[in-house]
Amino acid sequence: SQELEQSPQSLIVQEGKNLTINCTSSKTLYGLYWYKQKYGEGLIFLMMLQKGGEEKSHEKITAKLDEKKQQSSLHITASQPSHAGIYLCGADGRTYKYIFGTGTRLKVLA
Amino acid sequence: GAGVSQTPSNKVTEKGKYVELRCDPISGHTALYWYRQSLGQGPEFLIYFQGTGAADDSGLPNDRFFAVRPEGSVSTLKIQRTERGDSAVYLCASSPGTWGSYNEQFFGPGTRLTVL
Repeated sequence: SQELEQSPQSLIVQEGKNLTINCTSSKTLYGLYWYKQKYGEGLIFLMMLQKGGEEKSHEKITAKLDEKKQQSSLHITASQPSHAGIYLCGADGRTYKYIFGTGTRLKVLA
Repeated sequence: GAGVSQTPSNKVTEKGKYVELRCDPISGHTALYWYRQSLGQGPEFLIYFQGTGAADDSGLPNDRFFAVRPEGSVSTLKIQRTERGDSAVYLCASSPGTWGSYNEQFFGPGTRLTVL
């Protein structure tokens, strides 16, 4: 079965700093999703990547899917306290079942 | 428009009791999913409905767990004889279409279940 590993597990950065979160899959990714979760809230969709080499940006967040489609990175530029939360990568592996990573807990110090 | 809603937001129960968790998907979404998220973990798939039928319930941990979606809209996850290990956040998601179309799943806020 497919597994997703995220690194780092947790991250504390000073406001204004850049950061990167990685998601590595044990199998080829067909659809890779990035979500953000805050305590007591559901998952908020950030971006979906499908094609090898694809890169998408939304505001200060950029996500990439590598050419071999087994790793994705999420990069936040000039982090703000509002970026704090848990970032989850999810994959559909060509099924309806999303497989999720264990999440990266981000804290941004003002 | 309204997103996916779940009720209750929090549920505290005693070991051995029966609980029902409700999910209202986005109107028109035919696919509905239940996930369970334990502390410090990512969500784990429980069951998938396409319309009224459970297309895949392979993620349900045991026969104490059951879910229904009688009219193809609202779904209820039912847990009998709750155990402390059932404590988790139960997430519901819906999507417009069927497998194969890379449909984004829209998640509800979850129900936090605590079994004492």
